[in-house]
Amino acid sequence: EIVLTQSPGTLSLSPGERATLSCRASQSVSGSYLAWYQQKPGQAPRLLIYGASNRATGIPDRFSGSGSGTDFTLTISRLEPEDFAVYYCQQYGRSTKTFGQGTKVEIK
Amino acid sequence: EVQLVETGGGLVQPGRSLRLSCAASGFTFGNYAIHWVRQVPGRGLEWVIGISWNSDTIGYADSVKGRFTISRDNAKNSVYLQMNSLRPEDTAFYYCAKAGGAGSYFNWFDPWGQGTLVTVSS
Repeated sequence: EIVLTQSPGTLSLSPGERATLSCRASQSVSGSYLAWYQQKPGQAPRLLIYGASNRATGIPDRFSGSGSGTDFTLTISRLEPEDFAVYYCQQYGRSTKTFGQGTKVEIK
Repeated sequence: EVQLVETGGGLVQPGRSLRLSCAASGFTFGNYAIHWVRQVPGRGLEWVIGISWNSDTIGYADSVKGRFTISRDNAKNSVYLQMNSLRPEDTAFYYCAKAGGAGSYFNWFDPWGQGTLVTVSS
């Protein structure tokens, strides 16, 4: 099983600032089969990024993903009020899928 | 509009069984894998089980192997999660999610249903 470790656990930032979230895998994620999701309280997760760097339909371009192998990054270039949420990475390249434990982006 | 609706959650005693359903609409259901993901309130996401478009590939999390099974009825645009020998630690919101791309089990999840709450308690 591939274990995904996200850091930091919590990111305290102000609107307009840049957010950098990390996701590190215990083994190489084949084919960059890595996705990022956003979850707000009381809501289901929403897909942001797939294939490590492809934005999902309707996702603003302030969200970007990068990385390969075992190290991946989600960057939010300028935080908007609606971006404060919990973010999860996920690998989907194995029969057994796994999620990271999440990074909470909170208002400073 | 693509939509997934989970039903069947509720309160169940430890050791008993429960079946969840995921009804899909707005896309060609038979072309896509479907997965179940659960979330203990206030905690992170845990992938539970998934089934390929043609039921040839089924994957299980170790935590549910031997207790949970998944099936699909492409004629009814539905997927079913049969949960047996339930434990208190199975208490969670259960979401079904559609694979992001057709024909492959190895896909991201998009979109997700709104979830159904399963509570295992005596």
